[in-house]
Amino acid sequence: DGGITQSPKYLFRKEGQNVTLSCEQNLNHDAMYWYRQDPGQGLRLIYYSQIVNDFQKGDIAEGYSVSREKKESFPLTVTSAQKNPTAFYLCASSMTSQGALYGYTFGSGTRLTVV
Amino acid sequence: GDSVTQMEGPVTLSEEAFLTINCTYTATGYPSLFWYVQYPGEGLQLLLKATKADDKGSNKGFEATYRKETTSFHLEKGSVQVSDSAVYFCALLGTGANSKLTFGKGITLSVRP
Repeated sequence: DGGITQSPKYLFRKEGQNVTLSCEQNLNHDAMYWYRQDPGQGLRLIYYSQIVNDFQKGDIAEGYSVSREKKESFPLTVTSAQKNPTAFYLCASSMTSQGALYGYTFGSGTRLTVV
Repeated sequence: GDSVTQMEGPVTLSEEAFLTINCTYTATGYPSLFWYVQYPGEGLQLLLKATKADDKGSNKGFEATYRKETTSFHLEKGSVQVSDSAVYFCALLGTGANSKLTFGKGITLSVRP
């Protein structure tokens, strides 16, 4: 079945460490997105990519980095510069940058906790 | 910029009660509107959508009508079930070439037997 796979489901990070969250899709979608979810704040866009080897900052990109070397993959690195990284991270994809007309497909999320 | 406002939560209902979750938006032109649902520990699933004024989206007994005059997209269900307990997000996609989905803050619905 086609879908988006995020891994790991739970991730623990020590202060000062970088960690990378994986997102893989086999839907042949062009566009991919990373959102951060905090209680009571909804979803906030971190980064998005409409095509391979290209990506743009979202509303809260500081302290994060991404790459898009393959169409299927859009990993997110949470750097030590992100001061409050504890959150639930959701990856999504769509057919094109206007593909929300057909719905975004979301992964099951990664819960990151700083210890 | 585009924004979505949802009613404050959480909402707790008894099984078979009527549900209304309010959603209003601010956007230029005619955005597309969506309701997403998130079950505990999972990602978001598209529940329903409407792409133009007066359209009604429906799925699994839920309905929402795109009201341009009141800039609203309220979610309704005539008889909720315990399995409807989840977080519900209203979202919009603007008309610009590089628009992305903008979400409301979400509202938690709990349905008790």
